[in-house]
Amino acid sequence: GESVGLHLPTLSVQEGDNSIINCAYSNSASDYFIWYKQESGKGPQFIIDIRSNMDKRQGQRVTVLLNKTVKHLSLQIAATQPGDSAVYFCAENPKAGGTSYGKLTFGQGTILTVHP
Amino acid sequence: GAGVSQSPSNKVTEKGKDVELRCDPISGHTALYWYRQSLGQGLEFLIYFQGNSAPDKSGLPSDRFSAERTGGSVSTLTIQRTQQEDSAVYLCASSRDRDGAYTFGSGTRLTVV
Repeated sequence: GESVGLHLPTLSVQEGDNSIINCAYSNSASDYFIWYKQESGKGPQFIIDIRSNMDKRQGQRVTVLLNKTVKHLSLQIAATQPGDSAVYFCAENPKAGGTSYGKLTFGQGTILTVHP
Repeated sequence: GAGVSQSPSNKVTEKGKDVELRCDPISGHTALYWYRQSLGQGLEFLIYFQGNSAPDKSGLPSDRFSAERTGGSVSTLTIQRTQQEDSAVYLCASSRDRDGAYTFGSGTRLTVV
């Protein structure tokens, strides 16, 4: 029979604009979060991470914001470029009873398209 | 090696055949993971190895799927009697420890015809 695929959220921006990609995570005990970028035909690539004792961390052109109160993570990309076009995944390191599950839980992904 | 290496990069197989996918993790990384990604989809966890502990096989979709990790390094994912729904990109990742960020390989694109 016909299969219906999951449609990933999409974000389209113009080159030079700032982009904000959002992610809601599930486990209130998660203490480590990561953003990955996946370009077509490649594996996901680490962008930036943040521990739960921080609420903001900056890298080169990227900033990750963590709001533990509402379990929300965002990735901000400054001066977005066509080379930033990719699928972006957030990931959390969930815990139960203070012990890590040992594997990351990934969000569904967001497709970012940057128009020249 | 410098990164996670997967082979083959592409594999086309006939329905019903067995396939083996190989992953060579970063040297010294104790944790190794296999994920599956269907076209336009997210990452589906399959199996996880950590040091000498028993692997976490909770994500394997059926008993046709199995994986082993020899000597704490190279891992092989085996799919027996492949079906068309097995067609996907199979990604391997490794991390320094069970709580660290993953480094992914480029994946093996499996097509079952």
